[in-house]
Amino acid sequence: SAVISQKPSRDICQRGTSLTIQCQVDSQVTMMFWYRQQPGQSLTLIATANQGSEATYESGFVIDKFPISRPNLTFSTLTVSNMSPEDSSIYLCSVLDRGDTEAFFGQGTRLTVV
Amino acid sequence: DAKTTQPPSMDCAEGRAANLPCNHSTISGNEYVYWYRQIHSQGPQYIIHGLKNNETNEMASLIITEDRKSSTLILPHATLRDTAVYYCIVSRNTDKLIFGTGTRLQVFP
Repeated sequence: SAVISQKPSRDICQRGTSLTIQCQVDSQVTMMFWYRQQPGQSLTLIATANQGSEATYESGFVIDKFPISRPNLTFSTLTVSNMSPEDSSIYLCSVLDRGDTEAFFGQGTRLTVV
Repeated sequence: DAKTTQPPSMDCAEGRAANLPCNHSTISGNEYVYWYRQIHSQGPQYIIHGLKNNETNEMASLIITEDRKSSTLILPHATLRDTAVYYCIVSRNTDKLIFGTGTRLQVFP
């Protein structure tokens, strides 16, 4: 199993600012994903973080708003840019190794934008 | 990926079996059925998955109908710690897990 550490675990941010969330895995993994979970809602996939290339974004999410980095096989960052109160959500990192059927999730970053 | 339909909520007495249904009538032949759960304030946790045959592990059993249009997740002896939102997901692989609204299971004493 993979152990995922997300930082920060929570933050309160001013509107118009940006926050970078880090996801660190204790082993090399093939795939890393970023999800958003708005209050009381299910999880929505934001993008797949690709190592060495641009992330693959899902419909409704764009790189300018959610830039993602993945410099190696154990680390990724998600930035929430120019934040508004509507960005208040839990952001979760997920990982999967090729050939595995079980995806692992971090504990999430609880973001409140005021 | 096929769409799934789950009841929004269910109750279960502690110690009894919890049977959580999922409809996936548009499932295609190469799509698996995955179950995850999310306990409050935690990330989702994998439970079980299957293609055609029934599956069992230390956490649960998965019963898939012969036509594969529906399935049931069975927690044989529910405990209070099983209170969570349970997600049924149909996907060709785990590369992209698309979460539906899930079933909120409340286990009561």
